[in-house]
Amino acid sequence: KAGVTQTPRYLIKTRGQQVTLSCSPISGHRSVSWYQQTPGQGLQFLFEYFSETQRNKGNFPGRFSGRQFSNSRSEMNVSTLELGDSALYLCASSPGDRVSYEQYFGPGTRLTVT
Amino acid sequence: GDSVTQMEGPVTLSEEAFLTINCTYTATGYPSLFWYVQYPGEGLQLLLKATKADDKGSNKGFEATYRKETTSFHLEKGSVQVSDSAVYFCALIYAGTASKLTFGTGTRLQVTL
Repeated sequence: KAGVTQTPRYLIKTRGQQVTLSCSPISGHRSVSWYQQTPGQGLQFLFEYFSETQRNKGNFPGRFSGRQFSNSRSEMNVSTLELGDSALYLCASSPGDRVSYEQYFGPGTRLTVT
Repeated sequence: GDSVTQMEGPVTLSEEAFLTINCTYTATGYPSLFWYVQYPGEGLQLLLKATKADDKGSNKGFEATYRKETTSFHLEKGSVQVSDSAVYFCALIYAGTASKLTFGTGTRLQVTL
């Protein structure tokens, strides 16, 4: 099976712009979770989508949003970028059935905000 | 709230040395526990897991035992290799919110010849 793919791998944006990141989960997985990784805050959960619905949400401002399509692919959007949004954004896929808890991560998108 | 505490790194070892990375957790219920590994420039790879007390997870020579009495899940390997150099993350997840992993801060391991 192909693994989790994320595009783009690297992105440079300017403060105030917005950005959209994409994640394709492992075939058959219906849940996609997003995490932000920074040197200062470590790995923090953003949100999870399952069957096109947000099922769980972390403590991030409303500038961070996401969606999931019928094929389980997910996108994450950050509006009005701030310097502090510079991070590695990781998505993880899992079956989502609450029996198998393993999450499988993609390589991440490294976002730099200047 | 729930939290995971890992030993500070970096941990520097010679090849073939014994490895222990300590992990303790604070949780209100009975989570499942994981170790993930991150190699430079990559995402996280699931290394091993344990879903209930006294379970032992193992993979690629790494082991960890879920100790409810000490709320610990220490990672061990009998003989490390240079290729094991990476950052290791301990994490927990609940069945009820099975989408949200809570991670420790990570421990960097450097193995030298």
